[in-house]
Amino acid sequence: NAGVTQTPKFQVLKTGQSMTLQCAQDMNHEYMSWYRQDPGMGLRLIHYSVGAGITDQGEVPNGYNVSRSTTEDFPLRLLSAAPSQTSVYFCASSYTTGFHEKLFFGSGTQLSVL
Amino acid sequence: AQSVTQPDIHITVSEGASLELRCNYSYGATPYLFWYVQSPGQGLQLLLKYFSGDTLVQGIKGFEAEFKRSQSSFNLRKPSVHWSDAAEYFCAVGPPSGTYKYIFGTGTRLKVLA
Repeated sequence: NAGVTQTPKFQVLKTGQSMTLQCAQDMNHEYMSWYRQDPGMGLRLIHYSVGAGITDQGEVPNGYNVSRSTTEDFPLRLLSAAPSQTSVYFCASSYTTGFHEKLFFGSGTQLSVL
Repeated sequence: AQSVTQPDIHITVSEGASLELRCNYSYGATPYLFWYVQSPGQGLQLLLKYFSGDTLVQGIKGFEAEFKRSQSSFNLRKPSVHWSDAAEYFCAVGPPSGTYKYIFGTGTRLKVLA
């Protein structure tokens, strides 16, 4: 059972480049989300989805797009990368949208924007 | 607004010593509370959670946490720390009613001295 899989693990971009961070889960989870982790700031929610075709903004959505065409996949797109987007990105999912559900995390993508 | 505060950014303890990591929350109702651990280079893993019942909750790896409503706290404890416990620990609150946004604290990094 793979759980939550993120690719790539590391990425270096130049300012203005675009890229997609991939996230896939094989647990038939309803809820998926993206966080960024920065020193001293903990985890901040970027976007989330409560099911295929349904997405919404989190705390820091600017500069990022998402889509959820299938239950399994929830890619995060950077349209024009900026140095402020240098961070570690985590994808997380849960079985339902119940408040007591725990989140399953991927192992992260370390992104550097030069 | 709902929030989670982890007052200690770094904590250092000797192996075999006891540990307490602090977590305070601001929430309008009875919260759903979580502790996650992040080992270096890894995603977050759930240690324990609380949403009702006994206020002392047991988790994995010998950790426990106590919910104190009067103090708005959910501190994490371990009687005897092992070197493998060195990691970053995050307290989180389940999504406030009407949202799907988990709220994370800024984390406490634990160092264990041999």
